[in-house]
Amino acid sequence: QSVLTQPPSVSGAPGQRVTISCTGSSSNIGAGYDVHWYQQLPGTAPKLLIYTNTNRPSGVPDRFSGSKSGTSASLAISGLQAEDEADYYCQSYDSSLRGIFGTGTKVTVL
Amino acid sequence: QVQLVESGGDVVQPGRSLRLSCAASGFTFSNYYMHWVRQAPGKGLEWVAVIWNDGSTKYYADSVKGRFTISRDKSKNTLYLQMNSLRAEDTAVYYCARGAHSSGPFDYWGQGTLVTVSS
Repeated sequence: QSVLTQPPSVSGAPGQRVTISCTGSSSNIGAGYDVHWYQQLPGTAPKLLIYTNTNRPSGVPDRFSGSKSGTSASLAISGLQAEDEADYYCQSYDSSLRGIFGTGTKVTVL
Repeated sequence: QVQLVESGGDVVQPGRSLRLSCAASGFTFSNYYMHWVRQAPGKGLEWVAVIWNDGSTKYYADSVKGRFTISRDKSKNTLYLQMNSLRAEDTAVYYCARGAHSSGPFDYWGQGTLVTVSS
């Protein structure tokens, strides 16, 4: 079963912009399956952050944005805040409609 | 409001069985796909299984296929995960999550239940 590749960690100072990449293949993201993003704060369950590549659920600040192109997707956090320190996961599906998660990225606010 | 509450986690010996439950409330259970996702200690998220809204279709991760069975009870608004032949590598927090359609996001998650497989 395939996996989506993310950088293990990214960091930035408060107010800066950071991006997290999510690289898949022609059997998942490249096959047209949407990408969703989750934020997991320490000791808590994941929370939906971005759905269907670019959409934010109600209550998610517009500092968070998503994009998708080809076999990859990206999550951007602008105006980084201390409360954004968390683990972030991308998620999609394979051609058998089985879920796939990214390897996860830890965001550190310096 | 939407609530998903997992239960059934425990410490079990390798080779034994365990059944997890996920009680759903605050939405029409039969309209939604339901997933199990797990997270080993200090590791990332791993998708485990999905059951479609009408129970007609089930898919599993290769790591659990043939050992785990996902099911749902519409009358009890409850999702289940029957786990057989448990291995040490199945040790994880197990989350249930709701999905809107076959390739949709997991829009609500439970708080998780811990399964520890150890002799």
